[in-house]
Amino acid sequence: AQSVTQLDSQVPVFEEAPVELRCNYSSSVSVYLFWYVQYPNQGLQLLLKYLSGSTLVESINGFEAEFNKSQTSFHLRKPSVHISDTAEYFCAVRARWNQGGKLIFGQGTELSVKP
Amino acid sequence: DAGVTQSPTHLIKTRGQHVTLRCSPISGHKSVSWYQQVLGQGPQFIFQYYEKEERGRGNFPDRFSARQFPNYSSELNVNALLLGDSALYLCASSTDSYGYTFGSGTRLTVV
Repeated sequence: AQSVTQLDSQVPVFEEAPVELRCNYSSSVSVYLFWYVQYPNQGLQLLLKYLSGSTLVESINGFEAEFNKSQTSFHLRKPSVHISDTAEYFCAVRARWNQGGKLIFGQGTELSVKP
Repeated sequence: DAGVTQSPTHLIKTRGQHVTLRCSPISGHKSVSWYQQVLGQGPQFIFQYYEKEERGRGNFPDRFSARQFPNYSSELNVNALLLGDSALYLCASSTDSYGYTFGSGTRLTVV
């Protein structure tokens, strides 16, 4: 079984400041890792994913996440946030062996960017 | 291309009633999954269907059921609604098992 812990429920930051949203996971098998973003009253949008290869993955809008196998972490970072980044962010894992199988989500981190 | 479409967008039901939620996947996607997102929590897996067969079921009571049609669209049915069933119900479709595209969800309120 897998579990995901997002260490911060709320992260308030000022515009143009750096931010890190922390995600730790637990699994007895190898996993794929995902970050999703949810804007108010909307569904989830895939931000980035780690499947294999380079442990640093990047999104098109400036976010990056680094897979750390020894610490079982997949923290999300952005060097300079914008007001438009205000949203709920979810970390998720899926067992590698279970193609098309279920995603296990964390509780979410609410990122609030203030001017 | 249209994304994952869900209907209705909002729904209010009374305790004990039955509800049917619908999902149309992205064209070419054969896998559809359903998730329940209670306010303030992360989504919880309910079902996954692939090629009209159930491939996975989450820890939900038998009041929850689903099916997938030949055109790969899907329905989620919930019987004997409880107040605790109030949530955002999300549908996701996938073709390569690595990228799930979610719909905007159906907001179900049980009163």
